[in-house]
Amino acid sequence: EDQVTQSPEALRLQEGESSSLNCSYTVSGLRGLFWYRQDPGKGPEFLFTLYSAGEEKEKERLKATLTKKESFLHITAPKPEDSATYLCAVQAGSGGSNYKLTFGKGTLLTVNP
Amino acid sequence: NAGVTQTPKFRILKIGQSMTLQCTQDMNHNYMYWYRQDPGMGLKLIYYSVGAGITDKGEVPNGYNVSRSTTEDFPLRLELAAPSQTSVYFCASSYGGVKNIQYFGAGTRLSVL
Repeated sequence: EDQVTQSPEALRLQEGESSSLNCSYTVSGLRGLFWYRQDPGKGPEFLFTLYSAGEEKEKERLKATLTKKESFLHITAPKPEDSATYLCAVQAGSGGSNYKLTFGKGTLLTVNP
Repeated sequence: NAGVTQTPKFRILKIGQSMTLQCTQDMNHNYMYWYRQDPGMGLKLIYYSVGAGITDKGEVPNGYNVSRSTTEDFPLRLELAAPSQTSVYFCASSYGGVKNIQYFGAGTRLSVL
């Protein structure tokens, strides 16, 4: 069974204080790892997809990296508007079609001014 | 750009009542999904569809039914509502394929009392 574990559950930062969120996974044949951002009362918003170990993607203050066992979402010099819950999900399965995502429980990030 | 539209946004049901959560997407995606999100539990897949007329169970299908008569619409039916179905429900859609980025609606918050 595919498993996704995110840590920490909650993270409080001061504006400008860089940090990282972790997503560790156990899957049978990783097809893709996804990062989403979710604001209160809204649906998840797509951020990044990573497909192979060593891959990195960046968007503004966010940088996502992938190894064979985990992914990190690095937040550089965060601003209060980066406050949200960040969700990690994996798409697994070898061969055929398997388009289901398995989500972690998320990390609630709060950035104080 | 509408994307994925869910109605209603909020609903209160009495135990034993039934209702249909509506989901429509205008991106011509073949794949559609229903998730529920409970506090601290992450997103759980209820049902998914890979095209009109084709549906399959996800992780937590009990107490729910779906149908997919068109590419655009994927309604979720709750029969005999129970307090355990109190949750936030999200609909998503995707092209499928290697990238399979899922795009989410804003959600329906349901309380069963």
